[in-house]
Amino acid sequence: AQKITQTQPGMFVQEKEAVTLDCTYDTSDPSYGLFWYKQPSSGEMIFLIYQGSYDQQNATEGRYSLNFQKARKSANLVISASQLGDSAMYFCAMREAYTGTASKLTFGTGTRLQVTL
Amino acid sequence: DAMVIQNPRYQVTQFGKPVTLSCSQTLNHNVMYWYQQKSSQAPKLLFHYYDKDFNNEADTPDNFQSRRPNTSFCFLDIRSPGLGDAAMYLCATSATDTTILRETQYFGPGTRLLVL
Repeated sequence: AQKITQTQPGMFVQEKEAVTLDCTYDTSDPSYGLFWYKQPSSGEMIFLIYQGSYDQQNATEGRYSLNFQKARKSANLVISASQLGDSAMYFCAMREAYTGTASKLTFGTGTRLQVTL
Repeated sequence: DAMVIQNPRYQVTQFGKPVTLSCSQTLNHNVMYWYQQKSSQAPKLLFHYYDKDFNNEADTPDNFQSRRPNTSFCFLDIRSPGLGDAAMYLCATSATDTTILRETQYFGPGTRLLVL
């Protein structure tokens, strides 16, 4: 079973509007971390925001916020006031409990966001 | 600025000709990762180094090797590239001195490998 599901292969949003990118996850571990990365066409994966499973409040970083609904196992990324430079691929990823030498990320399949004028 | 650097950004090689991709970091992170990412797919972890300890993923082909001569540098060697190895190769680092679940991977710009 997929651990991270991003059901939107592609999204369009108009400049200055807000957009929500969906992410659901599957884990039986009570301790986990959720990450969002942005990947522009240049290829670099840019870390955007983190949410821990025990965090009481939704994470925010500038124009990025994470709508964390633990009971529904969803961690949607909200981008406010979209800019043309937000056009990119967005990946949701999860880290489960540390079980080895380094904890690993499980990535979703990504959502391609296109911001239009 | 502290960063993860990958060279070259684009690499063209011939079928079967060994190729080495390099990654360096100024973050002084103790963990370094190599990912393979094919077009429109999620990154796939090949292996990682925890300090000097090498950790291979079970499904990483033997054709892929890695070296980490010191904390700052890590190399990906593809011994006999096939057409199916054409991909973006991403290097990432993290530090295990942070809260474990919050441990964030920071990526380099990637190397696009083309196999002719």
